[in-house]
Amino acid sequence: DTAVSQTPKYLVTQMGNDKSIKCEQNLGHDTMYWYKQDSKKFLKIMFSYNNKELIINETVPNRFSPKSPDKAHLNLHINSLELGDSAVYFCASSQGGGDYEQYFGPGTRLTVT
Amino acid sequence: DQQVKQNSPSLSVQEGRISILNCDYTNSMFDYFLWYKKYPAEGPTFLISISSIKDKNEDGRFTVFLNKSAKHLSLHIVPSQPGDSAVYFCAATPLQGAQKLVFGQGTRLTINP
Repeated sequence: DTAVSQTPKYLVTQMGNDKSIKCEQNLGHDTMYWYKQDSKKFLKIMFSYNNKELIINETVPNRFSPKSPDKAHLNLHINSLELGDSAVYFCASSQGGGDYEQYFGPGTRLTVT
Repeated sequence: DQQVKQNSPSLSVQEGRISILNCDYTNSMFDYFLWYKKYPAEGPTFLISISSIKDKNEDGRFTVFLNKSAKHLSLHIVPSQPGDSAVYFCAATPLQGAQKLVFGQGTRLTINP
């Protein structure tokens, strides 16, 4: 059983398109995150939701919109894709409270051509 | 502004010897530190963590040391095994507020037989 799953694993699309990445966790965690790993391999947080409420929103273009239909799911929708959006996107979850360990999904490699 | 730095992009160690991975941070608000291990095409996997009230935490072959005054932490792996070959990320977060992990850029560890 995969704890944190993401679909799709690979996504190749053209500039200007709109795409979504889905994330699901079956750990019963309250908090979910989206991270971006850029070409320099830095992992940077983009968003965090706790029980469907947005709690972290880093300086991310508003073309990126997270949506949490329930606490087990956090999807990432990207409008008007640009070349610079090419990266690996990781979803993660944590229990929250005093538990700081975050558990990551396998990542989605997005390539914008 | 890179708040967490791993200055060695790569490290090569002989099987059976000790691997020492280093991490420095600049933000004195960081109270909790984590190490993650990442294999290619997979998400980061939590390895071990340490709170700022401790200076050492052990888990089997893995030990993390924290020197708060120097804003430095290290991960020791002994004995090193071929399966330890991976990229290791150091991460830090304040205990107060939202759980936002700030990652270093990673160190690629190669264990040679």
